[in-house]
Amino acid sequence: AQTVTQSQPEMSVQEAETVTLSCTYDTSESDYYLFWYKQPPSRQMILVIRQEAYKQQNATENRFSVNFQKAAKSFSLKISDSQLGDAAMYFCAYRGKYGNKLVFGAGTILRVKS
Amino acid sequence: KAGVTQTPRYLIKTRGQQVTLSCSPISGHRSVSWYQQTPGQGLQFLFEYFSETQRNKGNFPGRFSGRQFSNSRSEMNVSTLELGDSALYLCASSRLAGVGNNEQFFGPGTRLTVL
Repeated sequence: AQTVTQSQPEMSVQEAETVTLSCTYDTSESDYYLFWYKQPPSRQMILVIRQEAYKQQNATENRFSVNFQKAAKSFSLKISDSQLGDAAMYFCAYRGKYGNKLVFGAGTILRVKS
Repeated sequence: KAGVTQTPRYLIKTRGQQVTLSCSPISGHRSVSWYQQTPGQGLQFLFEYFSETQRNKGNFPGRFSGRQFSNSRSEMNVSTLELGDSALYLCASSRLAGVGNNEQFFGPGTRLTVL
């Protein structure tokens, strides 16, 4: 069974600075998808960024980028120029090549200081 | 396009009762997945439906069941409620199933409190 581990329960960052959230996963599959979701206090889950395992290039979405290390099974999220609106719970998630089942990590609370 | 809607948004029940939660996917989406979110267990997959068929089921007791209708709307039912069933129940819809690169959109959730 696949597992996702987020070892940082909570992180803080100063506004305008950069922060990196860590995620490791375990799987025996070779093709899969990895995601970072943001859950603000409203509880609405929002997709931040997606990475296909077969792509070596790291995904980037504006201020959000990932460092995907397939051999190490590591998938970290870097948030640049942090904004107050980035404060939320961030979940790392895994999905196999087939099917829609997401396996989530425990989440990291990100606090942004002004 | 309207997003995923879940009703009701909040629900209070007592132990032993049963509850039915509803999820209406985005128009044109045929796949609905359900997740339970609790502080202790985090986000856990309950089940996935596509075209009225259950495609996948998580590790939950038989008290948890679901179904999907021909219009893709889905319901999940929890019978004989226990205190530990208190949670945020999220549903997610997507156009397809069985295809990995298939974005899922989440609803706002139903907050269930069992007293």
